[in-house]
Amino acid sequence: SQQGEEDPQALSIQEGENATMNCSYKTSINNLQWYRQNSGRGLVHLILIRSNEREKHSGRLRVTLDTSKKSSSLLITASRAADTASYFCATTGNQFYFGTGTSLTVIP
Amino acid sequence: NAGVTQTPKFQVLKTGQSMTLQCAQDMNHNSMYWYRQDPGMGLRLIYYSASEGTTDKGEVPNGYNVSRLNKREFSLRLESAAPSQTSVYFCASTTGPLRGTEAFFGQGTRLTVV
Repeated sequence: SQQGEEDPQALSIQEGENATMNCSYKTSINNLQWYRQNSGRGLVHLILIRSNEREKHSGRLRVTLDTSKKSSSLLITASRAADTASYFCATTGNQFYFGTGTSLTVIP
Repeated sequence: NAGVTQTPKFQVLKTGQSMTLQCAQDMNHNSMYWYRQDPGMGLRLIYYSASEGTTDKGEVPNGYNVSRLNKREFSLRLESAAPSQTSVYFCASTTGPLRGTEAFFGQGTRLTVV
């Protein structure tokens, strides 16, 4: 499979804590993106990091990329109950491949 | 400002029946994709169309066919549905993967094959 793989598969934290999700991939990439999926809905784009970038911020989101290790991490700071969702990484080379996802539960 | 529209939202088929899932985007995107999502498997790419007039297989193309009818529309056809094709199907579009822009998704079609 050319998919990325997220780790952990499931994560449960208290509101206000930080949540960290990791993504590993197999092939060379142009960029890596993170998406969020609320239950029963389609995926929504969160943030994109290009292959020549190492870190990127957007609001409470922080993404890092290590192309030598073929890995990325997504940090959500000061989590809220509304952050409860599944999070997917996606790599773009010649196609658009998604990982298996991390299910995040934020407990109020 | 519809974005990506998929029809139908829900469908129940009997084994052996055929159907076509429709997808249309109004963002003038070049590339369109069909994914299936199964529990624990994430999203798997079935077929994609990098540009109007081209289609290519993804990871799991068996049992499916696609048509890029025009720049807006990309349909997915199941010729003879099987229970293994029970899944949630998502259509997505993007300017183009190599251009590094985000993908926009439809709301999904929940298909059950009995």
